[in-house]
Amino acid sequence: QVQLVQSGAEVKKPGASVKVSCKASGYTFTSYGISWVRQAPGQGLEWMGWISAYNGNTNYAQKLQGRVTMTTDTSTSTAYMELRSLRSDDTAVYYCARDRGISGAFDIWGQGTMVTVSS
Amino acid sequence: DIQMTQSPSTLSASVGDRVTITCRASQSISSWLAWYQQKPGKAPKLLIYKASSLESGVPSRFSGSGSGTEFTLTISSLQPDDFATYYCQQYNSYTWTFGQGTKVEIK
Repeated sequence: QVQLVQSGAEVKKPGASVKVSCKASGYTFTSYGISWVRQAPGQGLEWMGWISAYNGNTNYAQKLQGRVTMTTDTSTSTAYMELRSLRSDDTAVYYCARDRGISGAFDIWGQGTMVTVSS
Repeated sequence: DIQMTQSPSTLSASVGDRVTITCRASQSISSWLAWYQQKPGKAPKLLIYKASSLESGVPSRFSGSGSGTEFTLTISSLQPDDFATYYCQQYNSYTWTFGQGTKVEIK
């Protein structure tokens, strides 16, 4: 079935980097984009950025510009999100989601990856 | 950036009630609006896309309407499984924004 499976929980120190993976299966990876969305504890959803799995084009949320990089590996149908210079307020569950295309809706979501930033 | 404002933030309702959640965009987004349901500890689930199109497998008691800057999500008869948090989301030129969420609680 169509699914996105993310890597496991991470604990990082302030100033470090984290790289979360999102492996797609059940569909043609390069036919869709992937967005990353995060959710701090008890808070709402925050869109972080988008990558085209077709050509690697990206668009990042302005507040994360310079700290986030999204990439894909089409040979393994995997998307990656790297966040650098981690701060305590980066503690959140990070989700990848498939962008359906013209409608802009996210129809398939990963299970989420908890990233904890703590000294 | 386009801002999305949902109201109310919290809604208390009973099983069988008709429930309406409103989402306002800071500028026109045509019909590029989606609604999601999220339960604690789970990823969001797509309910409605393009403002009024029901996602496959979603019960018909969910409906969406609106265009431009004003949108609504309606649950025609609230069921026990519907107690959750609901988010609207806009899409514009490869940029997305979520509303702050509406928690639907048991009255």
